[in-house]
Amino acid sequence: RKEVEQDPGPFNVPEGATVAFNCTYSNSASQSFFWYRQDCRKEPKLLMSVYSSGNEDGRFTAQLNRASQYISLLIRDSKLSDSATYLCVVNRAGYSTLTFGKGTMLLVSP
Amino acid sequence: DTGVSQDPRHKITKRGQNVTFRCDPISEHNRLYWYRQTLGQGPEFLTYFQNEAQLEKSRLLSDRFSAERPKGSFSTLEIQRTEQGDSAMYLCASSLDRRREETQYFGPGTRLLVL
Repeated sequence: RKEVEQDPGPFNVPEGATVAFNCTYSNSASQSFFWYRQDCRKEPKLLMSVYSSGNEDGRFTAQLNRASQYISLLIRDSKLSDSATYLCVVNRAGYSTLTFGKGTMLLVSP
Repeated sequence: DTGVSQDPRHKITKRGQNVTFRCDPISEHNRLYWYRQTLGQGPEFLTYFQNEAQLEKSRLLSDRFSAERPKGSFSTLEIQRTEQGDSAMYLCASSLDRRREETQYFGPGTRLLVL
C-alpha cells in the first residue's frame, strides 16, 4: 500500500463549481500535513498546511481526520486559474522529508 | 529573485555519461533536499542536508548518485553512468529548521533526458 494515496484524476469542472479532493495516508506516525499545488512543468508550491481543527484560506478549506488518516481539500467557486495538479503531502514525526501522493489533476473549464 | 535556483534547467545526455546538477537554496535556509519526479508521479525524496551534513538518503539513491553540500550553501547532485531510467525532473528544496513548522520551498527543477 502506498504511503499517501489520492483520488485518481483528472477532475473536469466548470467555473464556479465546488470540488473536493481526498487523500489517505498509511503511517499513523505522520505529524504534518500539506496541500501543494503544481502547475504543468513547474515546481510544487505550498498551497496550505492542514491542521487538526481544519483551516480555511479564502476559497480553500482543508480538513484532517487523524483517526481515519484522511485529509481533504475543498475548493469553492473554482476559477480557471485553479487548473493544476494538487499534491497531498505528509511528514513523519522526527523526519524532515516529505512524502507526496501522486497528485490529482484539476481542469476548470469556462 | 531570492528563491531556490537550479542549474541547468534542462539536460539531454547519452546513456553512460555523467551529469551534475547544482542547487542554490534560499540564503538563510540550513536544510536542503533533493527529490526526483517522473511523469504522473509526485516527487520522491532522494537525500537531504542540514548545513553541510548529509543526514538521510533514500534507497532510491543508488551508488551512481552522489550529492554534496561542501560549505553548507549550494549543493550538487551527480549521476554517474546515466541510464534511461534516470530521465526525470530533479527538484531541489530548501527550508529553515523551525521546531513547530517548516515549509520546504522548491526550485524550478532540472529536467534530465537520457537518450
